[in-house]
Amino acid sequence: GQQVMQIPQYQHVQEGEDFTTYCNSSTTLSNIQWYKQRPGGHPVFLIQLVKSGEVKKQKRLTFQFGEAKKNSSLHITATQTTDVGTYFCAGGVNYGQNFVFGPGTRLSVLP
Amino acid sequence: DTAVSQTPKYLVTQMGNDKSIKCEQNLGHDTMYWYKQDSKKFLKIMFSYNNKELIINETVPNRFSPKSPDKAHLNLHINSLELGDSAVYFCASSQDWTGGLGNTEAFFGQGTRLTVV
Repeated sequence: GQQVMQIPQYQHVQEGEDFTTYCNSSTTLSNIQWYKQRPGGHPVFLIQLVKSGEVKKQKRLTFQFGEAKKNSSLHITATQTTDVGTYFCAGGVNYGQNFVFGPGTRLSVLP
Repeated sequence: DTAVSQTPKYLVTQMGNDKSIKCEQNLGHDTMYWYKQDSKKFLKIMFSYNNKELIINETVPNRFSPKSPDKAHLNLHINSLELGDSAVYFCASSQDWTGGLGNTEAFFGQGTRLTVV
């Protein structure tokens, strides 16, 4: 079945440093979503990417969908302590409602 | 107003008991889900309902039975609870299930932390 992996599993950065998490799927995706879960909280939708090679920005966050639609990345510029949390990608196939979540990357930001 | 609300937030119960978790969404969405998040934070879909009809039923023990009395509610009943059922259970909803260009953004509830002792 479809598998979605993320690396790294954990990342500790100093405040102000950049951070990137990578998402890789075993199958070609129709679309990919990114979620953020704060410690003790629930996943919150960040963005959806649909087109091959698509790049979207949200303030300090940059999301990219690979040309082959099998991988994606989330890059945070100049991290802040409010960025702490686990970032999940979720890959969709055939635009279906069943998104397979990656295992997440847990980000710690040291002040 | 909370968009997706689950009750209870915490549930501690003994092995063998039967328990239910309730979920309601006031977003007017057609699709609702149950996810299980284990201690390693893996999020795995359990069930998905669209307009009260079951459309996804992943490999979940049949001790777990979802019930959708109407489009705004999706409850989860668990029979004969086992230690391995301990996890955080999230309810979520999205506008549509056919996906496409943005209709499947999922709104999650606050989660129910189930501890089986």
